[in-house]
Amino acid sequence: DSGVTQTPKHLITATGQRVTLRCSPRSGDLSVYWYQQSLDQGLQFLIHYYNGEERAKGNILERFSAQQFPDLHSELNLSSLELGDSALYFCASSPRVLAGRETQYFGPGTRLLVL
Amino acid sequence: AQSVTQLDSHVSVSEGTPVLLRCNYSSSYSPSLFWYVQHPNKGLQLLLKYTSAATLVKGINGFEAEFKKSETSFHLTKPSAHMSDAAEYFCVVRNTGFQKLVFGTGTRLLVSP
Repeated sequence: DSGVTQTPKHLITATGQRVTLRCSPRSGDLSVYWYQQSLDQGLQFLIHYYNGEERAKGNILERFSAQQFPDLHSELNLSSLELGDSALYFCASSPRVLAGRETQYFGPGTRLLVL
Repeated sequence: AQSVTQLDSHVSVSEGTPVLLRCNYSSSYSPSLFWYVQHPNKGLQLLLKYTSAATLVKGINGFEAEFKKSETSFHLTKPSAHMSDAAEYFCVVRNTGFQKLVFGTGTRLLVSP
């Protein structure tokens, strides 16, 4: 158990809908990262937040957005969902952002199925 | 930009025999390299990491990896495979300057009795 929690574990929804995925980082970690794992794209970095501020963006679609709240949990919002958004979405956390070569600890993921 | 190439999509071994999962990296700087494992329907677990200290890195469950700068390689090995090692293994490099991880395409390890 990494200490990173993600809810829900599974999510089934329809095209055009909007969903919110939630992540709670390990206690004390200030950085949260979101990754997408799909069959065709593999594991890809989406976005990084540090202490409430966006720090880096990867291959994140404009239909997707994220935020990190004062209590450090993070939410990934996916809107206007398409079939191709079906994937496993991982959250990871680490203590800081630039201090040393830190390990990212991954949550169990949220499996999203868009029908 | 940093990247990793996992040379085998599938590796099959018999229980008790050695495991070798190959990974080459591309990086302009001294990289941070990782191996993560993903068991079926599970999250990603860190096996080991290289962060410019010792070139031979020992991880959990008997795995180790050797950083070879001259060969730009970071192969994962284990002397004796166990059935519970069957999983997908990802070689990962951290993008210098940012903190995002760049994943390889994964190697599925199959262990037969």
